[in-house]
Amino acid sequence: EVQLVESGGGLVQPGRSLRLSCTASGFTFDDYAMHWVRQGPGKGLEWVSGISWESGSLSYADAVKGRFTISRDNAKNSLYLQMNSLTVEDMALYYCARQSIKYAYGDDAFDIWGQGTLVTVSS
Amino acid sequence: SYVLTQPPSVSVAPGKTARITCGGNNIGIKSVHWYQQKPGQAPVLVMYFDSDRPSGIPERFSGSTSGNTATLTVSGVEAGDEADYYCQVWDSSGVHRGVFGGGTRLTVL
Repeated sequence: EVQLVESGGGLVQPGRSLRLSCTASGFTFDDYAMHWVRQGPGKGLEWVSGISWESGSLSYADAVKGRFTISRDNAKNSLYLQMNSLTVEDMALYYCARQSIKYAYGDDAFDIWGQGTLVTVSS
Repeated sequence: SYVLTQPPSVSVAPGKTARITCGGNNIGIKSVHWYQQKPGQAPVLVMYFDSDRPSGIPERFSGSTSGNTATLTVSGVEAGDEADYYCQVWDSSGVHRGVFGGGTRLTVL
């Protein structure tokens, strides 16, 4: 079964850091670009960051650029999001999602989603 | 940055046709993808590259784009179609960045 499982969310104080992980199974992880998408409480979907299959292309939303770092370890079938200097605006359910076409970056859809990991930012 | 505009809500009676729009500057030249999200669940891809349906998505779902508007059409709406729907494109001016519309809540009356 093709699956993405996020972990690492939790309660963190403003200004602190958190590292999210996403573990993939059921497909050849290193063939696909991966992304993080978040959803604030009662809000819509917001794309956060993406990384190409070989880590050669990275991109970030303006809201997180300079604070968040995306990375992947293909040997461990894992995607990561290092989040620094967190603010209350970063509080959200964070999904990892797979791009649908092998070796592509951008243009195609997110065909597989995890169930999300919740990040709560509060003092 | 590129902006996608969706109506907050669309209501339709069972068996009728729902049309959910997504507006963006020259969106017709971009590839548009659509996602369905039911309460408490992760999004599900229901349309990709404007008008292609993933396997398992009913033929009642169709998509089109023209000019500045993309449309997701749900024919013969059923109670189970009640959900939030999001359009998505890529803003590739420089680096590839994903862009989502604000979402449309489809209510089945």
